[in-house]
Amino acid sequence: AQTVTQSQPEMSVQEAETVTLSCTYDTSENNYYLFWYKQPPSRQMILVIRQEAYKQQNATENRFSVNFQKAAKSFSLKISDSQLGDTAMYFCAFNNAGNMLTFGGGTRLMVKP
Amino acid sequence: SQTIHQWPATLVQPVGSPLSLECTVEGTSNPNLYWYRQAAGRGLQLLFYSVGIGQISSEVPQNLSASRPQDRQFILSSKKLLLSDSGFYLCAWGILAGSGETQYFGPGTRLLVL
Repeated sequence: AQTVTQSQPEMSVQEAETVTLSCTYDTSENNYYLFWYKQPPSRQMILVIRQEAYKQQNATENRFSVNFQKAAKSFSLKISDSQLGDTAMYFCAFNNAGNMLTFGGGTRLMVKP
Repeated sequence: SQTIHQWPATLVQPVGSPLSLECTVEGTSNPNLYWYRQAAGRGLQLLFYSVGIGQISSEVPQNLSASRPQDRQFILSSKKLLLSDSGFYLCAWGILAGSGETQYFGPGTRLLVL
């Protein structure tokens, strides 16, 4: 069974600075997807970024980028130029064909003005 | 583009009353559909998923049931609500492609059972 671990329950960052959220996972599969979802106070789950395991290049979406280390089973999210609107819960998630989406426990990020 | 709708957005129901939450998806065909529940400050718990019309799989035995009467419609129901059914309910859709599936979530329904 796959597991996803987020070791940082809470983090804070000053506006305009950079923050990195950690995620590790465990799987015996070779092909899979990894995701970061954002859940703001409205509680809607918003897809931030997706990484396909067979791709060596790290995914990037504007201010959001990942550091995917397949051998280490690590998938961290870097948020550059943090904005107040980035304040949210962030969930790391894993999925591969034939299995359900597995979520980490979440990291609560507070961006301070 | 694809969109997913859920209603109602908020619901307050007495214990023992019935429940019906609806989820519809636009802009895609034959999606996989999911119902999740989230307690305050907690992660997501998968309740039901469906890979096609009339096909429902339950992940957690409970007071709830799900149905998929149409390709892009997913309904969560209960005959008699319990206090423990309170929570935030999220519907999601996804399509398998390559190594996995990307899921997209609706805005959610806040349910308070009193």
